[in-house]
Amino acid sequence: EPEVTQTPSHQVTQMGQEVILRCVPISNHLYFYWYRQILGQKVEFLVSFYNNEISEKSEIFDDQFSVERPDGSNFTLKIRSTKLEDSAMYFCASRTGGATDTQYFGPGTRLTVL
Amino acid sequence: GENVEQHPSTLSVQEGDSAVIKCTYSDSASNYFPWYKQELGKRPQLIIDIRSNVGEKKDQRIAVTLNKTAKHFSLHITETQPEDSAVYFCAASKSGGATNKLIFGTGTLLAVQP
Repeated sequence: EPEVTQTPSHQVTQMGQEVILRCVPISNHLYFYWYRQILGQKVEFLVSFYNNEISEKSEIFDDQFSVERPDGSNFTLKIRSTKLEDSAMYFCASRTGGATDTQYFGPGTRLTVL
Repeated sequence: GENVEQHPSTLSVQEGDSAVIKCTYSDSASNYFPWYKQELGKRPQLIIDIRSNVGEKKDQRIAVTLNKTAKHFSLHITETQPEDSAVYFCAASKSGGATNKLIFGTGTLLAVQP
């Protein structure tokens, strides 16, 4: 069964550094998402992406965040200047679209900002 | 704003007993309600979902009920087993839009005691 994949599984960075989190959605999916989960808390929506543009973003997704689909397979989340409070698990998700609502989640990238 | 409340935050049951987790959503336009199971350090996995045109859905030991008027939906697990132990998240979404972002509840830690 196809799965969403994410790399790296764990990223440690210094405050102020840029990080890029990578995701490979399921190949025939058209809608892509990033969510984050601070340790012990609920999963929070960050951004959705469809047809090569952002369709919606949350208040969390400020100017320090950006997303890109640089080729036909990868979907990336960039944080330009990381803060301590960016430490969290970041999940990528994708869905086919149309009448299908199910979102499939990747295994996550644990980001630790020191 | 959009919000999903989830109760209880922790639930401990004996193996073989039933478990019920309840959620309430705020946005009356929500029409898709998935439940995800998240084991420690793993990705959220969809276990069951329900749409607003249906009042109940069952899949083996798992069932979900929806009360649109009260904006409540619940997860019912019967004949619980130790492998059911995990964090369960409810979510709400507006299906058919350009986003279909998931708004998650705060999670329920279910512990099934053998």
